[in-house]
Amino acid sequence: DAGVIQSPRHEVTEMGQEVTLRCKPISGHDYLFWYRQTMMRGLELLIYFNNNVPIDDSGMPEDRFSAKMPNASFSTLKIQPSEPRDSAVYFCASSLEETQYFGPGTRLLVL
Amino acid sequence: GQQVMQIPQYQHVQEGEDFTTYCNSSTTLSNIQWYKQRPGGHPVFLIQLVKSGEVKKQKRLTFQFGEAKKNSSLHITATQTTDVGTYFCAVSGSARQLTFGSGTQLTVLP
Repeated sequence: DAGVIQSPRHEVTEMGQEVTLRCKPISGHDYLFWYRQTMMRGLELLIYFNNNVPIDDSGMPEDRFSAKMPNASFSTLKIQPSEPRDSAVYFCASSLEETQYFGPGTRLLVL
Repeated sequence: GQQVMQIPQYQHVQEGEDFTTYCNSSTTLSNIQWYKQRPGGHPVFLIQLVKSGEVKKQKRLTFQFGEAKKNSSLHITATQTTDVGTYFCAVSGSARQLTFGSGTQLTVLP
């Protein structure tokens, strides 16, 4: 298996623009997680899905953030409008049991 | 959710020295996981501890879970430059979500 796939790997955008991050979990995994990592706040769980259904989005920082999982092999995290403080590395992870497998991350820079 | 404190935040060691990072919780944990993140990389699962007092080894890495299941440690014997990275402990929530500790960033000086 190719592991968790994320795209793009790097994104530079201007404040106010919409940003869409994409994730393809490992086939057969029933949980998908979105994390944000910054120096100041560490690794934060934003939202997670079980069988494509959002279970807990309490970590989503603001209404500007939204996530969807239309099917078992694809999820998106959208930021609209983006702000400089959204600059971070965003990881997607999936799991079948308790171990989580992380994707390579998307490095987002909002100017 | 459950909170876990991880110390130290940073550790610099000479190659060949030992290294230990600790995680502590005020509540009893069902299990604890350890992950390693190389610079510029993503977290990679190392191990999960479930039983009280459990000790597991992976080559030069020794993982311990406290008798009260409130603390855990990761010890690396004779560090090598390949050990560089940030080591995180993580605890499970009510579902399968994880709460990560703040991590210990290990630098190994050649």
